[in-house]
Amino acid sequence: DAGVIQSPRHEVTEMGQEVTLRCKPISGHNSLFWYRQTMMRGLELLIYFNNNVPIDDSGMPEDRFSAKMPNASFSTLKIQPSEPRDSAVYFCASRWGQGAPEGGYTFGSGTRLTVV
Amino acid sequence: SQKIEQNSEALNIQEGKTATLTCNYTNYSPAYLQWYRQDPGRGPVFLLLIRENEKEKRKERLKVTFDTTLKQSLFHITASQPADSATYLCALETSNTGKLIFGQGTTLQVKP
Repeated sequence: DAGVIQSPRHEVTEMGQEVTLRCKPISGHNSLFWYRQTMMRGLELLIYFNNNVPIDDSGMPEDRFSAKMPNASFSTLKIQPSEPRDSAVYFCASRWGQGAPEGGYTFGSGTRLTVV
Repeated sequence: SQKIEQNSEALNIQEGKTATLTCNYTNYSPAYLQWYRQDPGRGPVFLLLIRENEKEKRKERLKVTFDTTLKQSLFHITASQPADSATYLCALETSNTGKLIFGQGTTLQVKP
């Protein structure tokens, strides 16, 4: 398996523009997580899905952020409109099953977003 | 409030020594705790998981302890090597949330 695949790796956009980040989890994993990482706040959980259903989106900063998982092999995180304070590295992660994940969570390489 | 605290200052040690990193938490009742390694420009990579009813877990040169009374986990790397230099993150998941919450991480620098 190629691991968790995120695209794009880098995104530079102007304030006010819409940004869409993409994630393909590991085949067979049934939980998917979106995290945001900054120097100030570290890794923050934004939202997670179980069997394609959003379970907890309490970490989504505001209504400008939305996430979807239309099927087991694809998820998107959208920011509309984007603001400079959204600049961060966004990670997608996936895991199999419930309970203690003996293999841990598998993270993608991240999307570095810069909003100017 | 809930907190996961790791040493914010970088840990510098000499090659061959044992590195010990600390993770303290407050107002959590974790079902299990995980440790990850993160290299610059990369995503975190899973290292070890330890359950609340386990005191210690080992994997090659790595050892993790978990003390639910002290609310603390220690992460040890024995016979450290320069290739072990990275940021190490601890993360907790409670049994009823399904959410994995991370500490800020500690940067380890192993000097040859």
